[in-house]
Amino acid sequence: NAGVTQTPKFQVLKTGQSMTLQCAQDMNHNSMYWYRQDPGMGLRLIYYSASEGTTDKGEVPNGYNVSRLNKREFSLRLESAAPSQTSVYFCASGAGNAEAFFGQGTRLTVV
Amino acid sequence: GENVEQHPSTLSVQEGDSAVIKCTYSDSASNYFPWYKQELGKRPQLIIDIRSNVGEKKDQRIAVTLNKTAKHFSLHITETQPEDSAVYFCAAIKGGSEKLVFGKGTKLTVNP
Repeated sequence: NAGVTQTPKFQVLKTGQSMTLQCAQDMNHNSMYWYRQDPGMGLRLIYYSASEGTTDKGEVPNGYNVSRLNKREFSLRLESAAPSQTSVYFCASGAGNAEAFFGQGTRLTVV
Repeated sequence: GENVEQHPSTLSVQEGDSAVIKCTYSDSASNYFPWYKQELGKRPQLIIDIRSNVGEKKDQRIAVTLNKTAKHFSLHITETQPEDSAVYFCAAIKGGSEKLVFGKGTKLTVNP
């Protein structure tokens, strides 16, 4: 099984550009998550989806939107990228109170 | 909402010593507490977890303890080895909400 797959792995954007980070899981998990990881800040929750058709804000949702397209896919969109959004982004999926599995991460640089 | 505090932010030990990382959480309804290890350039991976109906759990050289009254839980690594060097994250989740919140991480360095 592939587990959790994120695309792209690397991306450079200019300030003001938009982009969508894609995430797909093949473990039939209900819950999916988007985190950003910055040095010294740990893993901060951007948005999460407890089930298909629902999404909720996390700790740092400003500047982002998400779509739970179906049970497998959960995308993160930056409408107008800013340098402050330079970070490593991780998608994860899980089955409630059990192990969450992470994708390999997307390293995003906004110049 | 849930808030998870983790200490220390960095920890350096000699090979063979023990390491302890502590976390506190704010939501008394949280009932699942996983620990993740992240090696440099890699994704976080689960190393051990504990549920609120258990006070302690062990898996070889690692153990986790939970004090629900004080709302804190700890990771214990015994007989540390250089390959234990990594960033460790604690997390908490409340059943039903599915909101998985992480601490800021502890960078553990095991010196040979």
